[in-house]
Amino acid sequence: ELKVEQNPLFLSMQEGKNYTIYCNYSTTSDRLYWYRQDPGKSLESLFVLLSNGAVKQEGRLMASLDTKARLSTLHITAAVHDLSATYFCAVERGYGGATNKLIFGTGTLLAVQP
Amino acid sequence: EAGVTQSPTHLIKTRGQQATLRCSPISGHTSVYWYQQALGLGLQFLLWYDEGEERNRGNFPPRFSGRQFPNYSSELNVNALELEDSALYLCASSLEGAGEKLFFGSGTQLSVL
Repeated sequence: ELKVEQNPLFLSMQEGKNYTIYCNYSTTSDRLYWYRQDPGKSLESLFVLLSNGAVKQEGRLMASLDTKARLSTLHITAAVHDLSATYFCAVERGYGGATNKLIFGTGTLLAVQP
Repeated sequence: EAGVTQSPTHLIKTRGQQATLRCSPISGHTSVYWYQQALGLGLQFLLWYDEGEERNRGNFPPRFSGRQFPNYSSELNVNALELEDSALYLCASSLEGAGEKLFFGSGTQLSVL
């Protein structure tokens, strides 16, 4: 059974600092997604990573995928308060088949302190 | 363009009752997914509908059911409500059932008293 683990679960960081959130998954997968969720709000798609070595960047966030290590990272550069949210990675299983579904990680609650 | 819309926003029920949650996907999207986000449990996959058919379901009891209508909107029904069914229920849609990015609605907060 596919399991997705994120760490840390909670991250408190100061503005201007850099940090990385890790997402490990247990079996081979076809795609990996990163989502952001603000308190009381729905999930917003950040990145879709499709292949080994894929790297995507938007603003202060950069996501990468290593399918051999079954690891994705979400790197935060020079954090600002607006980045405070819960970040989820999600791994897709069964692309193109009848078993397609996303398995979500536990989420990382990021709090950026001034 | 309208996003994924869910109704109601909040729903309060008592144990044993039935709850019906509704979801309208983004126009042109044929796949609808339902997820349960319970406190401390993260997001759990519930159901996937595509082209009116149930394609896959997560590890939930049969009292969780749903359907997709010809216009691709969807309903999630939860029968014989239990206290632990209290959660945020998120609906998402995508262009296809396989691999397209999901767009999530704002959710229905179900409280079972």
